[in-house]
Amino acid sequence: GAVVSQHPSWVICKSGTSVKIECRSLDFQATTMFWYRQFPKQSLMLMATSNEGSKATYEQGVEKDKFLINHASLTLSTLTVTSAHPEDSSFYICSAREIKGSGNQPQHFGDGTRLSIL
Amino acid sequence: AQSVTQLDSHVSVSEGTPVLLRCNYSSSYSPSLFWYVQHPNKGLQLLLKYTSAATLVKGINGFEAEFKKSETSFHLTKPSAHMSDAAEYFCVVSDRNNDMRFGAGTRLTVKP
Repeated sequence: GAVVSQHPSWVICKSGTSVKIECRSLDFQATTMFWYRQFPKQSLMLMATSNEGSKATYEQGVEKDKFLINHASLTLSTLTVTSAHPEDSSFYICSAREIKGSGNQPQHFGDGTRLSIL
Repeated sequence: AQSVTQLDSHVSVSEGTPVLLRCNYSSSYSPSLFWYVQHPNKGLQLLLKYTSAATLVKGINGFEAEFKKSETSFHLTKPSAHMSDAAEYFCVVSDRNNDMRFGAGTRLTVKP
């Protein structure tokens, strides 16, 4: 249980294009999903918290116009990297937290998306 | 404020020997603690979690961790390392607002 599917797993595109990454919770509902960026040999950096039916909450230093987040349903959040440039190349990982019970629930992670901008 | 420190950036063990990955935390409240594992080019997989129940937590793949409040530690252990355990491991602390803070990670290498 608690499977998160992230698509695509790898994308290569030209500078200036926009790229959309999808994050789906397959067997549970999630009011909250998270988007992380990970540089080589480093830990995860939280970019934004995606809330179903409302605007995402961005971390300091993350451009909301650059990284558009939409959380249209309890099982789907999307991250669109607009007008991507080589410096946006990175490993992007989403996670989702179940709606259940009390106490802190763990986040369940997708397999990540390797984005390479030429 | 909360934070987590993974004391070793890299741990190397021989196959069949014990594994110890160290984690210390700082939290103003009773924290929830997690260990995740990440294999190359993959997302993170939950190994185990502590949420104020039993202090010794058993997880998947033979891993376990012990919550020690007096030492503010949550070290991850496994009696016998397997080659497939080679990966990056993250210790994570979560406060009552469910905000998660990740450690810097520990890379585990398993030698044959």
